[in-house]
Amino acid sequence: GQSLEQPSEVTAVEGAIVQINCTYQTSGFYGLSWYQQHDGGAPTFLSYNALDGLEETGRFSSFLSRSDSYGYLLLQELQMKDSASYFCAVRTGGGNKLTFGTGTQLKVEL
Amino acid sequence: GAGVSQTPSNKVTEKGKYVELRCDPISGHTALYWYRQSLGQGPEFLIYFQGTGAADDSGLPNDRFFAVRPEGSVSTLKIQRTERGDSAVYLCASSLNQGGGYTFGSGTRLTVV
Repeated sequence: GQSLEQPSEVTAVEGAIVQINCTYQTSGFYGLSWYQQHDGGAPTFLSYNALDGLEETGRFSSFLSRSDSYGYLLLQELQMKDSASYFCAVRTGGGNKLTFGTGTQLKVEL
Repeated sequence: GAGVSQTPSNKVTEKGKYVELRCDPISGHTALYWYRQSLGQGPEFLIYFQGTGAADDSGLPNDRFFAVRPEGSVSTLKIQRTERGDSAVYLCASSLNQGGGYTFGSGTRLTVV
């Protein structure tokens, strides 16, 4: 089976940088995705890493180390609207099935 | 359509009843997924369609759950003899490419009383 670990809660101030870590144990690993979900809303896709290294998309970056079974999501210049839950998810099959972690609730304070 | 559409947005049903949840994916997306999410948890995989066929149904919890996608577009998740433990938000998503991101619908909140 698959298991993912991420912190349950992170708090940061507006304008700061925050890193949300994700470690995983799985077989047949294909890639790591990140999704954002606001309260009462649908998860929205942020990034996908299939290879080691850093992917940057605007204020958000995602990193993967396959040898360490570890990844992180980096959010820069935090804004109040970034307060949400963030989920890492592993793709483990030749299809596109994802297994999600339990999520990290990010609170951005003034 | 422009996004993934799920109907109804809310469904309250009595224990033991049958329910159908509908998902209309983004036009042209061949892959369609059903997940369910309980409060404070991540989405839990149920079933994945590639075209009309179920490519992976390993997440369906038992034989009360069934899903179809007869024409490779709209999908229906069917739950028989509902139980209180089935209460959750049922999310549908679609994607164009393998490895690409999912686009989720807003979900159907199912409450079994």
